[in-house]
Amino acid sequence: DARVTQTPRDKVTEMGQEVTMRCQPILGHNTVFWYRQTMMQGLELLAYFRNRAPLDDSGMPKDRFSAEMPDATLATLKIQPSEPRDSAVYFCASGPDFYEQYFGPGTRLTVT
Amino acid sequence: AQSVAQPEDQVNVAEGNPLTVKCTYSVSGNPYLFWYVQYPNRGLQFLLKYITGDNLVKGSYGFEAEFNKSQTSFHLKKPSALVSDSALYFCAVRDGGGKLIFGQGTELSVKP
Repeated sequence: DARVTQTPRDKVTEMGQEVTMRCQPILGHNTVFWYRQTMMQGLELLAYFRNRAPLDDSGMPKDRFSAEMPDATLATLKIQPSEPRDSAVYFCASGPDFYEQYFGPGTRLTVT
Repeated sequence: AQSVAQPEDQVNVAEGNPLTVKCTYSVSGNPYLFWYVQYPNRGLQFLLKYITGDNLVKGSYGFEAEFNKSQTSFHLKKPSALVSDSALYFCAVRDGGGKLIFGQGTELSVKP
């Protein structure tokens, strides 16, 4: 049963620290998405890739967030420096195309 | 711009009764519509999609959705609700660039 995996599952850090979240998409999926979920804003798309190339990262605060896919088995989302308003659950999702997306369990980030 | 609206923040249903979770959409061109479910502390799970064809789409866990072009709606339905159906439900539409635009979500509560 193939699944998207994300690490870490929980992260507590202090303001100003760098945070790196990792995602392993399902093997064979060529699209990868990063989302952020908060009670106030709901589910927001931060960035997405197709065949490892970034297609759209307009949802990300450019000055502090960056997303990459160093290879087909790894996607990363980095926040530097982190701020309390970044506290949220971050989801990675992958799909064989743009029609279906399979979500990982999420990384719960708390920035104090 | 493509968008979806879920007019109800919460839906309460008694177990065994039929349930409906509402979604309306606004798109230019043919709509590609989706329903996802999120259980507590989990990522979203794909339920069903409408791309083309029959207006009644069947999905996972006994759910179905009815596409109504004249009313621009894509309501999620189930003939007999289970307590285990209690979760957060998201309607989504695919935009021209291929990404999904999610609604704000509807909390479904099924009571015994």
